[in-house]
Amino acid sequence: QKEVEQNSGPLSVPEGAIASLNCTYSDRGSQSFFWYRQYSGKSPELIMSIYSNGDKEDGRFTAQLNKASQYVSLLIRDSQPSDSATYLCAVNPDYNTDKLIFGTGTRLQVFP
Amino acid sequence: GAGVSQTPSNKVTEKGKYVELRCDPISGHTALYWYRQSLGQGPEFLIYFQGTGAADDSGLPNDRFFAVRPEGSVSTLKIQRTERGDSAVYLCASSLQRNTEAFFGQGTRLTVV
Repeated sequence: QKEVEQNSGPLSVPEGAIASLNCTYSDRGSQSFFWYRQYSGKSPELIMSIYSNGDKEDGRFTAQLNKASQYVSLLIRDSQPSDSATYLCAVNPDYNTDKLIFGTGTRLQVFP
Repeated sequence: GAGVSQTPSNKVTEKGKYVELRCDPISGHTALYWYRQSLGQGPEFLIYFQGTGAADDSGLPNDRFFAVRPEGSVSTLKIQRTERGDSAVYLCASSLQRNTEAFFGQGTRLTVV
């Protein structure tokens, strides 16, 4: 079964708006959570990591984690056309391994 | 180098041939990971190394796939008897230590014809 679920999109938002990207995961023992951005034809680029419940802010990005609901989200404030990319949610499912399980990604389109 | 380096960037091979893909991690990073990504999908875990040893190889699809990291730095992913279904982008990542952020290389696009 799929362990990390994301809506494939596209999610279209106007420039300057807040983009909200969501991810759910199935393994309740998951420890670490990451958001990667991937431009077309490029490799994934790490933008946020979050390890404990609550919010973590870094510039225009805020990651939110709710382990009870098995839900992690990424908010992008003041969205720019350069934010248009696929956003991959990745979860480390078990402390005994460092592998990451990725979702299929959500494609974000920011239009001027 | 400053980032994870993968060579070659592109590889075209004939069905049934053997290929080797190389990954040079960020200097000082002890953990190294191999993933592969097909079009429209997220990266799929293959194997990861902590130092020289394979700590988790549960993602290798079958015994045609093998990876080594003999000196705890550079790693080679080896694929025997390639099949058309092996065509994908093979991504390598490294992290400073266990359970920390992983950084990806630019990938090797493998095409089996």
